[in-house]
Amino acid sequence: EDQVTQSPEALRLQEGESSSLNCSYTVSGLRGLFWYRQDPGKGPEFLFTLYSAGEEKEKERLKATLTKKESFLHITAPKPEDSATYLCAVQAGSNYQLIWGAGTKLIIKP
Amino acid sequence: DTAVSQTPKYLVTQMGNDKSIKCEQNLGHDTMYWYKQDSKKFLKIMFSYNNKELIINETVPNRFSPKSPDKAHLNLHINSLELGDSAVYFCASSSPAGLTNGYTFGSGTRLTVV
Repeated sequence: EDQVTQSPEALRLQEGESSSLNCSYTVSGLRGLFWYRQDPGKGPEFLFTLYSAGEEKEKERLKATLTKKESFLHITAPKPEDSATYLCAVQAGSNYQLIWGAGTKLIIKP
Repeated sequence: DTAVSQTPKYLVTQMGNDKSIKCEQNLGHDTMYWYKQDSKKFLKIMFSYNNKELIINETVPNRFSPKSPDKAHLNLHINSLELGDSAVYFCASSSPAGLTNGYTFGSGTRLTVV
């Protein structure tokens, strides 16, 4: 069965303390892996799409990487405004539907 | 502003009632979706719809029905509401494959059934 697992469930960091969030997946025929950010009371906001192992994408303090089994979202020198829930999703096979992870709640303390 | 907008943002209703949530997108996307986000934050697809095809998640009760008057709108109608229907419902849209630019989500409707 296709599955997406995110870890940790929650992560508390001090401002400026770099770390990584993990998204591991077991799917057949990966078409794309997505990272989204969700703020309280809002819908998910698209960050990145990664298509194949070895690919990397960056946006401000965020960098997403992809291997054949997992993706990492690296956050460098985070600021309090980076606090949010980060969601990972994959699209696989001939089905265009996304399979979502449960998210990692990131809290950055000033 | 280009966006996906859904109304209402909050909906409190009694068991057994029928309610609708409206969704509109002005992004020119061909495909629209309804998602349910439960208390554990999992997003579950309920429906995807474009001009040609409605795909229904088989786990969705038939009390839920999407209604699309045109390409830019996909409303969600719910009959005979139950306590377990309480959740946040998100509308989203995408280009045909939805890969390059991902999905654009609305801000959600928090449904509380009492």
